[in-house]
Amino acid sequence: QKEVEQDPGPLSVPEGAIVSLNCTYSNSAFQYFMWYRQYSRKGPELLMYTYSSGNKEDGRFTAQVDKSSKYISLFIRDSQPSDSATYLCAMSARGNYGQNFVFGPGTRLSVLP
Amino acid sequence: DSGVTQTPKHLITATGQRVTLRCSPRSGDLSVYWYQQSLDQGLQFLIQYYNGEERAKGNILERFSAQQFPDLHSELNLSSLELGDSALYFCASSVDRGEGIQYFGAGTRLSVL
Repeated sequence: QKEVEQDPGPLSVPEGAIVSLNCTYSNSAFQYFMWYRQYSRKGPELLMYTYSSGNKEDGRFTAQVDKSSKYISLFIRDSQPSDSATYLCAMSARGNYGQNFVFGPGTRLSVLP
Repeated sequence: DSGVTQTPKHLITATGQRVTLRCSPRSGDLSVYWYQQSLDQGLQFLIQYYNGEERAKGNILERFSAQQFPDLHSELNLSSLELGDSALYFCASSVDRGEGIQYFGAGTRLSVL
């Protein structure tokens, strides 16, 4: 089982749609959960991060974490063509040695005008 | 602007050569991470340094090496370059109080001809 799996996409939606992007993970030690947006050939940009379970909202974006199911989601409301990008989930656990973080492979999203 | 600076932006070189990529982390960040991203592929973690010391190692080839200097900037050295090393190389930094929230630079695009 991979440490993190992400909906492979690509995902195409019409402008204004609600988008749901999801990741599942296997390591119950993960406590911090991040979503990054990466435009083509640019550096990943941190969108949101949450600690432990729960929801966090920032404008049109909502991040949801369900640690009991090891499942995280990013919702985008009123999607715009400018949201077209690859979305990466990431998660990390506290620790001072070794690799304590992992990135998902990404989901490519296209929002069509 | 994430505050992470990478130079150069583009690098074109020939097979067998050696190059050095440079990264300046955000002010106050102690950890530096290096990633490789080939065309349309996910992020491949290479190596992490924390306050000058190696903390975690990923899929880094023996031909590649890195270091973090006392002023916290980092360099990634790639030697005996092969065509397959052509990729985007990203640096990220974090405060690393344990949450592992990383901020990425714009990347260096390496082309090996």
